[in-house]
Amino acid sequence: GAVVSQHPSWVICKSGTSVKIECRSLDFQATTMFWYRQFPKQSLMLMATSNEGSKATYEQGVEKDKFLINHASLTLSTLTVTSAHPEDSSFYICSAAGRGAAYQPQHFGDGTRLSIL
Amino acid sequence: DAKTTQPPSMDCAEGRAANLPCNHSTISGNEYVYWYRQIHSQGPQYIIHGLKNNETNEMASLIITEDRKSSTLILPHATLRDTAVYYCIVRSLTSGSARQLTFGSGTQLTVLP
Repeated sequence: GAVVSQHPSWVICKSGTSVKIECRSLDFQATTMFWYRQFPKQSLMLMATSNEGSKATYEQGVEKDKFLINHASLTLSTLTVTSAHPEDSSFYICSAAGRGAAYQPQHFGDGTRLSIL
Repeated sequence: DAKTTQPPSMDCAEGRAANLPCNHSTISGNEYVYWYRQIHSQGPQYIIHGLKNNETNEMASLIITEDRKSSTLILPHATLRDTAVYYCIVRSLTSGSARQLTFGSGTQLTVLP
């Protein structure tokens, strides 16, 4: 149980393009989803937290107009990197938390490797 | 959330137990200890969590000291597929971002054949 699917697993696109990444909870309802970014040889950094039906909360330094997050249903959240540039190239990972007790763990997708040329 | 300290790297022989330590000396009473691991180029995988009692599941055991200032993750019979970065995370359930996880640098465990 507790499977989170992320799509696509990797994407290469030209500078200036917008890229959408999907995160789905396959067997549970995700009331909260999280988006992380990970640069090579570094740890995961939280970008934003989204609750179903609400606007996302962004971490300090993360541009909300550049990283658009939508969490319109209990099983799907999307991250759109708008007008992507080479410095946005990174490994993007989502995680999801269900309706259960607050101490229940988050479960992660397998990540999306984004390369901007 | 309390900060954690882990050794940057450890080796373990295949088939032997891997014992990964974590120090969280500033942990408070309402903070849980979580362990995740990240195999190269994949998302983190949940392993186990606990509050104050020792916990065991099909993947690992979690031993938390009586004063809760440190813990040890035990992989009883390490295999090559257990090579990964292991993250020990302490999370409060009463903060505003109750489910947020803050990742440190973790421990790179290498299981040797």
